[in-house]
Amino acid sequence: EVHLLESGGGLVQPGGSLRLSCAASGFTFSSYAMSWVRQAPGKGLEWVSTISGSGATTYYADSVKGRFTISRDNSQNTIYVQMNSLRADDTAIYYCAKDLREFSSNSHDYWGQGTLVTVSS
Amino acid sequence: QSALTQPASVSGSPGQSITISCSGSSSDIGDYNFVSWYQQHPGKAPKLMIYDVSNRPAGVSNRFSGSKSGNTASLTISGLQAEDEADYYCTSYTSSSALWVFGGGTKLTVL
Repeated sequence: EVHLLESGGGLVQPGGSLRLSCAASGFTFSSYAMSWVRQAPGKGLEWVSTISGSGATTYYADSVKGRFTISRDNSQNTIYVQMNSLRADDTAIYYCAKDLREFSSNSHDYWGQGTLVTVSS
Repeated sequence: QSALTQPASVSGSPGQSITISCSGSSSDIGDYNFVSWYQQHPGKAPKLMIYDVSNRPAGVSNRFSGSKSGNTASLTISGLQAEDEADYYCTSYTSSSALWVFGGGTKLTVL
């Protein structure tokens, strides 16, 4: 059975940093792209970033480019997102999601339960 | 403002069929067959219902179907059931720097 478990969320001041983790199990981790998708309180879904199965290719939304860095450790079945220069509009639930394919297709068949990031002073 | 446009809400009675539209442009839906649909119940993670315009993942009811015409994609739910009441989001690949864009979401109410 596939499981995705996010961790690392919390309260951070504007301009601060946070690193989220997502531990995966139940599938051949390196064979699939993985993504972060976020949802601000009461708002819709927003794609944030994707990393290919090998980790060689990464993609970012314009809203986080230059501030967020996605990475993965295929030996630990874990993906990360390092979030720097955080702003109030980064406040959201951050979901980790497994792609259907090795490369990004934005078709995510499994999702974690999400971790809340709140950027506030 | 979302890059893809969905109606804010739709409603239907049990047993009826409804269609949710997702309007884009030639830079996304019109030129690519990478359209997916997600269902999200309150407080829950999204669930993939349709991918690549019209494909259903294993385990998704065949009451859900997807299609595309021009720059507009559609999700049709037939034989509406109470448990279908949820928010639905479309998403598509885009040739702009955004790569992947979502619609603003549609709240489905089963009357």
